[in-house]
Amino acid sequence: DAKTTQPTSMDCAEGRAANLPCNHSTISGNEYVYWYRQIHSQGPQYIIHGLKNNETNEMASLIITEDRKSSTLILPHATLRDTAVYYCIVRVASAANTGTASKLTFGTGTRLQVTL
Amino acid sequence: DTEVTQTPKHLVMGMTNKKSLKCEQHMGHRAMYWYKQKAKKPPELMFVYSYEKLSINESVPSRFSPECPNSSLLNLHLHALQPEDSALYLCASSRLAGGRSSYNEQFFGPGTRLTVL
Repeated sequence: DAKTTQPTSMDCAEGRAANLPCNHSTISGNEYVYWYRQIHSQGPQYIIHGLKNNETNEMASLIITEDRKSSTLILPHATLRDTAVYYCIVRVASAANTGTASKLTFGTGTRLQVTL
Repeated sequence: DTEVTQTPKHLVMGMTNKKSLKCEQHMGHRAMYWYKQKAKKPPELMFVYSYEKLSINESVPSRFSPECPNSSLLNLHLHALQPEDSALYLCASSRLAGGRSSYNEQFFGPGTRLTVL
């Protein structure tokens, strides 16, 4: 699985958009980009994933550059509860119907601090 | 029910003790995982079970012994641990690849914080 690079920490004012970058310059064509976050003293939580198109769900948006070498996770209106470590993970998707488990390799992540 | 439960929340044990961590999910997931997380570090995969059979062992020392007695339960048996094994132990579950989606998100429990004296 390709390695990712993320800033160690970021700050964001409450109510503003939080833009978390991730560099994955060695990503392969069959590798997806996934984002998880871990709020203090909790287990990691899945946020979103994508291959090459931009994706949006109720939690966040994922913008992937055309060359797929980097991506940005966007929390449109950050709240104090979004303070967490955000992990960008790149991995090959399991082929459908193979019955295989999805192995996750976490990098060091970005510690996002949302402030008043 | 999208919850993974882990017991106990906290565990303190001596190096000669034998203890077990338990994990349970009722989402019908057939993949279950154990991760270890040291302070201020990312989670590291230890074991993966698929259809109640061990499919991945990330070269974990034998003092950690996983067990999957049925599709809802996952145990981690601990024996003769070292102080450096003190960490947060996370359990997760997911569906296995299949259907229209080739990715199935992992649902994590809150973890067991283990201290080895």
